Amino acid sequence: GAVVSQHPSRVICKSGTSVKIECRSLDFQATTMFWYRQFPKQSLMLMATSNEGSKATYEQGVEKDKFLINHASLTLSTLTVTSAHPEDSSFYICSAREADTGDHEQFFGPGTRLTVL
Amino acid sequence: GESVGLHLPTLSVQEGDNSIINCAYSNSASDYFIWYKQESGKGPQFIIDIRSNMDKRQGQRVTVLLNKTVKHLSLQIAATQPGDSAVYFCAENNQAGTALIFGKGTTLSVSS
Repeated sequence: GAVVSQHPSRVICKSGTSVKIECRSLDFQATTMFWYRQFPKQSLMLMATSNEGSKATYEQGVEKDKFLINHASLTLSTLTVTSAHPEDSSFYICSAREADTGDHEQFFGPGTRLTVL
Repeated sequence: GESVGLHLPTLSVQEGDNSIINCAYSNSASDYFIWYKQESGKGPQFIIDIRSNMDKRQGQRVTVLLNKTVKHLSLQIAATQPGDSAVYFCAENNQAGTALIFGKGTTLSVSS
């Protein structure tokens, strides 16, 4: 089956620093990747849609200058949380949609737990 | 706006019982729906999906029912096992058909 990995699985950083999270599709090519954020006991909230080779589309209320997304290849998207603050502490999950299948199905990564001190 | 919600935040069942998890959606134009299972500290795991041209789809021990008239989606798990304990989310296409919108989630607890 289609596998999506994330790195790191968990990260602790100091307030004001930047953190980069990687999302990789391991056995398929993904023209579209998605980034979600999930706070404790809540649902997944879509942050942005990332298309390979173009700018990401951000959901309303998500600051594009704070959450930098790069999708430079068909197997890798990165999310950089710039100048992180404690309120950015959350579970960040990416997903990927396989290229050229016309399928809606998304394959999810295992998530990255970010804790900002 | 778009929203997908679940009727009950928690559901407790005995091992071997059948479980039914419900979801109401608001976007009548949605043409694709998915159920995901999420265990603590992990990403969502695909369970089963259904397109709007169907009203029922069966998988292994799971069945998804879609009632477009009342915009209702349900997941039935047969012979529920302790390993089924998790949070279950329904999701639907957003209006543009480009992304998924998740419901609030139901926590299923299975006791032996």
